[in-house]
Amino acid sequence: AQTVTQSQPEMSVQEAETVTLSCTYDTSESDYYLFWYKQPPSRQMILVIRQEAYKQQNATENRFSVNFQKAAKSFSLKISDSQLGDAAMYFCAYRSATGTASKLTFGTGTRLQVTL
Amino acid sequence: EAGVAQSPRYKIIEKRQSVAFWCNPISGHATLYWYQQILGQGPKLLIQFQNNGVVDDSQLPKDRFSAERLKGVDSTLKIQPAKLEDSAVYLCASSSFRGATNEKLFFGSGTQLSVL
Repeated sequence: AQTVTQSQPEMSVQEAETVTLSCTYDTSESDYYLFWYKQPPSRQMILVIRQEAYKQQNATENRFSVNFQKAAKSFSLKISDSQLGDAAMYFCAYRSATGTASKLTFGTGTRLQVTL
Repeated sequence: EAGVAQSPRYKIIEKRQSVAFWCNPISGHATLYWYQQILGQGPKLLIQFQNNGVVDDSQLPKDRFSAERLKGVDSTLKIQPAKLEDSAVYLCASSSFRGATNEKLFFGSGTQLSVL
């Protein structure tokens, strides 16, 4: 079974600064997808960024980018130019690329605080 | 485009009572998921429907939890009888699932259940 580990329960960053959230995972599969989701107080999970394991190039979405290290099974999220609206829980998630059951396996989350 | 609708937003019950949650996915989405998110943890899949058939219910406590998706659209999740450890946020998600495992999931805002 796949597992996802987020070792930072809380992180804090000043507005306009850069922060990196860590995520490691364990799998025996070679083909899979990795995600970062944001969960604000409204509780709705919002997709931030997605990475296909077969792609060597790191995904980027505006101020959000990832550092995907497949051999090390590491998938960190970098938020540049942090904004107050970035404050939320961030979850790393894994999904197999095989089979029809496309279950997401989530980590325990990192609470990000953004200060002035 | 309307998002995933869930109700109620909050529910407080006493242990051993019954409770039901409702989810209306995005129109045309064939796949529907119910996730349980206990405080301090990431969401955990309870059940996945493809149209009105069950794809994965391996983590659903079937002695007390039940779910249905009549006509492949709306879905209800029921707990009977509830236990203290069922206190959690119950998230519904949907996806179009055209056969690709990288399809995007859209989440609702969840139902927060408190069992006293």
